[in-house]
Amino acid sequence: GAGVSQTPSNKVTEKGKYVELRCDPISGHTALYWYRQSLGQGPEFLIYFQGTGAADDSGLPNDRFFAVRPEGSVSTLKIQRTERGDSAVYLCASSLIGGSAFSTDTQYFGPGTRLTVL
Amino acid sequence: DQQVKQNSPSLSVQEGRISILNCDYTNSMFDYFLWYKKYPAEGPTFLISISSIKDKNEDGRFTVFLNKSAKHLSLHIVPSQPGDSAVYFCAASALNGANNLFFGTGTRLTVIP
Repeated sequence: GAGVSQTPSNKVTEKGKYVELRCDPISGHTALYWYRQSLGQGPEFLIYFQGTGAADDSGLPNDRFFAVRPEGSVSTLKIQRTERGDSAVYLCASSLIGGSAFSTDTQYFGPGTRLTVL
Repeated sequence: DQQVKQNSPSLSVQEGRISILNCDYTNSMFDYFLWYKKYPAEGPTFLISISSIKDKNEDGRFTVFLNKSAKHLSLHIVPSQPGDSAVYFCAASALNGANNLFFGTGTRLTVIP
């Protein structure tokens, strides 16, 4: 079966521009996550969706970052007024049911979108 | 503030020998731990996990050990194979419904044939 896919694989933009990054999770997975990985660092959590709603957006760095998942499947991460510091690999992951106080399930990652802001 | 730390950025091991990758954490609320493996231009791939009620979990050549009192875990790979060469990330989460993972900075393992 298909894994998590992300498009585009690479995106180069100029400072101040708007970008959208897309994630197609594994079919049937209700939970979806966005992470950002800067050079030499591990992935950092941005936002977690359970179905259509953002269950936890505490990792979004500021209000230039926004994500949606209108139909509970595909998600789009939107970055306004991009800055050079936004350059990173943006990773999307999905899991079957998400987390609870009693269990957690495995997150499966896509290949990422490498964003370069010039 | 890095809550999950991997202090060795790289490790080289001879094929057939044991690879030991280490990870430390600071947040006592973490109770679920995972190792992910990452090849270039690919996303991290889940390898093995352990919950805080256990101190060891084994899956084939991979074993994860957890020492809660020391807030330390390690991944043992034996025997190491050239295909194991990759970046290994340690990750942790708290069973509080949030399910977001906190990652270390990774250790690049090179297995020499």
